[in-house]
Amino acid sequence: DSGVTQTPKHLITATGQRVTLRCSPRSGDLSVYWYQQSLDQGLQFLIQYYNGEERAKGNILERFSAQQFPDLHSELNLSSLELGDSALYFCASSPRTSSSYGYTFGSGTRLTVV
Amino acid sequence: ELKVEQNPLFLSMQEGKNYTIYCNYSTTSDRLYWYRQDPGKSLESLFVLLSNGAVKQEGRLMASLDTKARLSTLHITAAVHDLSATYFCAVRRAAGNKLTFGGGTRVLVKP
Repeated sequence: DSGVTQTPKHLITATGQRVTLRCSPRSGDLSVYWYQQSLDQGLQFLIQYYNGEERAKGNILERFSAQQFPDLHSELNLSSLELGDSALYFCASSPRTSSSYGYTFGSGTRLTVV
Repeated sequence: ELKVEQNPLFLSMQEGKNYTIYCNYSTTSDRLYWYRQDPGKSLESLFVLLSNGAVKQEGRLMASLDTKARLSTLHITAAVHDLSATYFCAVRRAAGNKLTFGGGTRVLVKP
């Protein structure tokens, strides 16, 4: 157990639907990062939050949004889902806004859009 | 835009032999990371390399960094079956937050 908790582990939903993925960072970590892993795009950075504020944005679609709550857990909202959104979504956390010692990854949420 | 390339993409290893995975990146960075991922699992941190000439070793794995050549290598000594996994390198740009990952090297160690 890495200390980063992601729920749910698996999610199957239909095109056009909306889902929410949840991430609880490791105790004491203030930064949360979301990554998408797909066969064709590899591992891609989506977005980072630090202590409730957005800090960096990557290749995140407009249909996707995220937030970090006062208790530091984060949610990634995916809407108007398409087949191509099927992927493994990872959350990672680090102690500060950027980490010299690595990022701790959760076990991921596997999203299947049918 | 920072690009990270790994090669080879797939490596079939024989137990007991030595192999090297290469990671090239296109622009200046201040951190290079190596991760291991088992099928359907999370990414496990292996090494963080902070400066030119850095070398780190853990068991049969050794990672090194040459910032002038923008190259990192992951050397596997006397491969064993337990090392079968996909290995990723990732680079963080100086003063940046996000990690840019290479495409991964899938390693299969055969007896």
